[in-house]
Amino acid sequence: GAVVSQHPSWVICKSGTSVKIECRSLDFQATTMFWYRQFPKQSLMLMATSNEGSKATYEQGVEKDKFLINHASLTLSTLTVTSAHPEDSSFYICSARALSGSSYNEQFFGPGTRLTVL
Amino acid sequence: DAKTTQPTSMDCAEGRAANLPCNHSTISGNEYVYWYRQIHSQGPQYIIHGLKNNETNEMASLIITEDRKSSTLILPHATLRDTAVYYCIVRVNSGNTPLVFGKGTRLSVIA
Repeated sequence: GAVVSQHPSWVICKSGTSVKIECRSLDFQATTMFWYRQFPKQSLMLMATSNEGSKATYEQGVEKDKFLINHASLTLSTLTVTSAHPEDSSFYICSARALSGSSYNEQFFGPGTRLTVL
Repeated sequence: DAKTTQPTSMDCAEGRAANLPCNHSTISGNEYVYWYRQIHSQGPQYIIHGLKNNETNEMASLIITEDRKSSTLILPHATLRDTAVYYCIVRVNSGNTPLVFGKGTRLSVIA
């Protein structure tokens, strides 16, 4: 199956700093990428949908100025958590939809990034 | 909101078949049934999907009822590595519609 990578796999930062998480589709192109977050013992919650070359669409309750999403190419999307606070500590997971090939329109997930804000 | 209902948890003996049910009584004609699983602290893994016919791949089988209001994921010979949370999701297979996750079923495979 198609591979999606995330970097870093985990990060610890101080309150007030910004953290950037990268999401890459390694062997396929993706016009659409999705960002989810998951709190302990809870399900994945969709944060935003990003399309290459255009602004992301955020879900209700997700602050677009706090969670900056850039989808600059067909294989890379970044999520920047600005001025992070302890309540932003979570497991952030990206997902990419295949543009073509045998996996056309399927949604593949990265391994996740665990963010801990002190 | 998730459009599916799954049991919160299930146990299965190692080597036996695991049958995970899912209700999706409000499914639309153009919505597919998808199954993903998430092993602890990892990203979700695609298992299988279908529209109305039963499907089988190397991981599992998907049985969809004729009225499409429910389905069952079957892991034919469960192993300890199949312990995970299993998510049943319905979604149209076009456009930018994302997968929306419900609470899933926590499957514990017991030795």
